[in-house]
Amino acid sequence: AAGVIQSPRHLIKEKRETATLKCYPIPRHDTVYWYQQGPGQDPQFLISFYEKMQSDKGSIPDRFSAQQFSDYHSELNMSSLELGDSALYFCASSFGLNAGELFFGEGSRLTVL
Amino acid sequence: DAKTTQPPSMDCAEGRAANLPCNHSTISGNEYVYWYRQIHSQGPQYIIHGLKNNETNEMASLIITEDRKSSTLILPHATLRDTAVYYCIVSSFRGSQGNLIFGKGTKLSVKP
Repeated sequence: AAGVIQSPRHLIKEKRETATLKCYPIPRHDTVYWYQQGPGQDPQFLISFYEKMQSDKGSIPDRFSAQQFSDYHSELNMSSLELGDSALYFCASSFGLNAGELFFGEGSRLTVL
Repeated sequence: DAKTTQPPSMDCAEGRAANLPCNHSTISGNEYVYWYRQIHSQGPQYIIHGLKNNETNEMASLIITEDRKSSTLILPHATLRDTAVYYCIVSSFRGSQGNLIFGKGTKLSVKP
């Protein structure tokens, strides 16, 4: 069965650079969530989208932005990268009516040098 | 403030049942109990969820106390591949609104 696809799987950037992560939800899923997991930390909720509109916001820094496109894929844009942004970034998707059962991707590992 | 309290770690012998407790004494009437697990650096995986009745699926059973202040996830026959961090999460989803807030979780080690 198709799963949540995240790209790139690994990304290395310098401080103050910009990075973009992409997430392709499971077909027919209309809700996308972004999570950040630092080394040794638990996943932290960043932001979510339902039907291309922001539906909930967590601890997402102002330097980050995200959107969901007409084909339901989502992108997380991160600017002025800091060392502390080094983390695993997970995207998850769900079908709105069955919210709560989130399907997570394998994550994108961002390393900021 | 954390909505759930779980033991930081537990051990279980392979083939035995793993019983993972969770306290959620401040749970609201419209909040569900969700269980997810994360195998080292992989994306979290949904296991099961419930509101007030006990639930069972192919992965696990969820036992929720009558007052809903605590629950237990049961893996009936633990295998080495069940070694993971298990997260108990309480959340209310109204349609598409809501999210999951991960707490500290229980690191379950299944040993041969």
